[in-house]
Amino acid sequence: QKEVEQDPGPLSVPEGAIVSLNCTYSNSAFQYFMWYRQYSRKGPELLMYTYSSGNKEDGRFTAQVDKSSKYISLFIRDSQPSDSATYLCAMSAGGNNRLAFGKGNQVVVIP
Amino acid sequence: ETGVTQSPTHLIKTRGQQVTLRCSSQSGHNTVSWYQQALGQGPQFIFQYYREEENGRGNFPPRFSGLQFPNYSSELNVNALELDDSALYLCASSLGGAGGPGETQYFGPGTRLLVL
Repeated sequence: QKEVEQDPGPLSVPEGAIVSLNCTYSNSAFQYFMWYRQYSRKGPELLMYTYSSGNKEDGRFTAQVDKSSKYISLFIRDSQPSDSATYLCAMSAGGNNRLAFGKGNQVVVIP
Repeated sequence: ETGVTQSPTHLIKTRGQQVTLRCSSQSGHNTVSWYQQALGQGPQFIFQYYREEENGRGNFPPRFSGLQFPNYSSELNVNALELDDSALYLCASSLGGAGGPGETQYFGPGTRLLVL
C-alpha cells in the first residue's frame, strides 16, 4: 500500500463548476497537509497548508482534513480556466520532514 | 525576496555519465530538499540538507549525492546515469529549525534531465 493515494485520473469541468479532489493516506504520523498546484513544465506552487484535522478556506479554495479517516480534500469553487493545472496533495510528519506526494490530478476547466 | 532558482533548466546526458544540478534557496531559508518527479508521477523525496548536513534521505541509491554550501545553496550529483533517471528534478527550500510549527517547502522550477 502506498503512503499517499491520489486517483490520478484527469478531470474536465465547465467554467464555474466546483472541483473536488481528494487523497487518502496510511501513515498515522502525518500531521501537516498541503495542496500544491503545478502548471505544465513548472515546479509545484503551494496552494493550501493545513495542520491536523479541520477545514481551511482561502478565497475560492477550501481544504479539509479528516485524520480519523486519513482523508483530505480540496474544493475549488467557481472554477476558472486559469485553474487548469495538476493538483498534488502532499503531507509530512512535521517540521522539515520529507513531503510524501500523491500522483496528482490533472484538472481542465473548459470555458 | 528572491524565490528558489535552479540550473540548468534542461539537460541531456547519455547513460553512464555524471550530472550536477544546482539550486539556490529562497532568501532566509537554510534547508534544501531535493525531489525526483517522473512523468505522470508525484515528486519523490531524494534527500534534505539542513545547515550543510544531510538531514534525511529517501529510497535512492548512493550514486545520488548532494552538498549544501555555507550560503545554503545546494547541488545534486548523480553518477552512472541510467535511463530511469530521466525526470524533473525539483529543489525545495524552507526555514528549518528545532521545534515550532511545520515549515512549508517552496519549490523551484526544476531541471528536466533526459538520459539517452
